[in-house]
Amino acid sequence: ETHLVESGGGLVQPGGSLRLSCAASGFTLGDYAMSWVRQAPGKGLEWISYISHIDSTTYYADSVKGRFTISRDNAKNSLYLQMNSLGAEDTAVYYCAREVATIPQNWFDPWGQGTLVTVSS
Amino acid sequence: DIQMTQSPSSLSASVGDRVTITCRASQTIGSYLNWYQQKPGEAPKLLIYAASSLQSGVPSRFSGSGSGTDFALNINSLQPEDFATYYCQQSYTTPMWTFGQGTKVEIK
Repeated sequence: ETHLVESGGGLVQPGGSLRLSCAASGFTLGDYAMSWVRQAPGKGLEWISYISHIDSTTYYADSVKGRFTISRDNAKNSLYLQMNSLGAEDTAVYYCAREVATIPQNWFDPWGQGTLVTVSS
Repeated sequence: DIQMTQSPSSLSASVGDRVTITCRASQTIGSYLNWYQQKPGEAPKLLIYAASSLQSGVPSRFSGSGSGTDFALNINSLQPEDFATYYCQQSYTTPMWTFGQGTKVEIK
C-alpha cells in the first residue's frame, strides 16, 4: 500500500526556519513528481511547491517563492521542504502529495497525514 | 492565474438526499478537474479525476461531470460517512495547481 508520512512540524518563532520531511513507502519515490500543499487553520487547500522526478525542476507558489525550497532524496525515498523567514501567515498543516499522471491528466494521490507548523512568538 | 469558485460554500442535507456541488473555473480548463473529500483531522482523499473518472475504491454514488468552465460533483443517496468538505482542483496549469475554496456538507 502506498503511504506518505510527514514529520518536522512544530512551533517556530517569526523569522525562523524549519525543515519538513516526507517519507514514502509502498512505491519508489523516484518514479513520481511530488508536491507540498498546505492548509491554514479553518481554511482551504493551497498548493505551494512541486518537484519533478525527471530532472528535479521545481515550482513555487508566489506566497512562498524565495523563502521555501523543495528537494528530494530518491535513495532515501524522501521529500523535503526547507522553510525560511517564516511568518504567521505560514501557520498551517503541511501535506506532501504524490502526483499521479496519465498524460495529459494528473492528480494527487495519496496524500500524507500532514504535519502542523505554528509560527508564533 | 485560474481561479476556482465552488458553490455553495456549505450545505445541510439529510441521509439519503442527492447533493450537487458546483465548481466554476475563471477560464476554460477542458476536463482538467479533480475532486477531493476531506474529513475533519484527515488528509484529502481523491474521489474523481479528469472531471468524471471515479477513483478506484470510491463508491459509485459519487459522480463528476462537466467540461470547459463548469463542473459538478454529485452524491446520490448521501451516507453518514459522506459528511465532509469537498474541494475541486484544476490541473490545466500543471504544475501550478489551484483549488476551490471548499464546500462543507453538514447533517441537517
